[in-house]
Amino acid sequence: GEDVEQSLFLSVREGDSSVINCTYTDSSSTYLYWYKQEPGAGLQLLTYIFSNMDMKQDQRLTVLLNKKDKHLSLRIADTQTGDSAIYFCAERADYKLSFGAGTTVTVRA
Amino acid sequence: DTGVSQNPRHKITKRGQNVTFRCDPISEHNRLYWYRQTLGQGPEFLTYFQNEAQLEKSRLLSDRFSAERPKGSFSTLEIQRTEQGDSAMYLCASSRGPEQPQHFGDGTRLSIL
Repeated sequence: GEDVEQSLFLSVREGDSSVINCTYTDSSSTYLYWYKQEPGAGLQLLTYIFSNMDMKQDQRLTVLLNKKDKHLSLRIADTQTGDSAIYFCAERADYKLSFGAGTTVTVRA
Repeated sequence: DTGVSQNPRHKITKRGQNVTFRCDPISEHNRLYWYRQTLGQGPEFLTYFQNEAQLEKSRLLSDRFSAERPKGSFSTLEIQRTEQGDSAMYLCASSRGPEQPQHFGDGTRLSIL
């Protein structure tokens, strides 16, 4: 989606932390989401954050939201080979989701 | 929840043919959404239903596309007179309500020869 931007690639060593960044433009977005897509599969909902929150932690995942800068990040602690996938940031305004182009995360041994 | 189910997983057809895809949402999810994803891009919204009512259609949904959800349960997406540019992954999602997150199926990959 043209309103959501993400860096295209991230390479990380197994065991390190990954940080995926996203910027969005719609200030009326109520929820922001992170989805994971593995080859040939659909999108798996990882986590989401309400726009009045700054941070949300869910096991190895930490979401940070800077509403002033319209910046969202996803940190994956102790990255594993199974975390290799494409990660999509999405904003929801009203009924539909607008997605970024996705960040391809490659985990190297 | 058994998850959102889409059929078929893959469809290969010749240009000009009609195709129909089916989506079975998670039970008790009253909202159902269709998205299209082309290679290297994120999904783009096509249309959505609340129960059996189609409430919004994207400008991406040309008059060759039609979607239905006749009894408020499963939905079908039909493309008539397919074109090369219709080649994409068609994703279906459902949610329990307007404020609830959308859960996606594994999609139907359409290839036009």
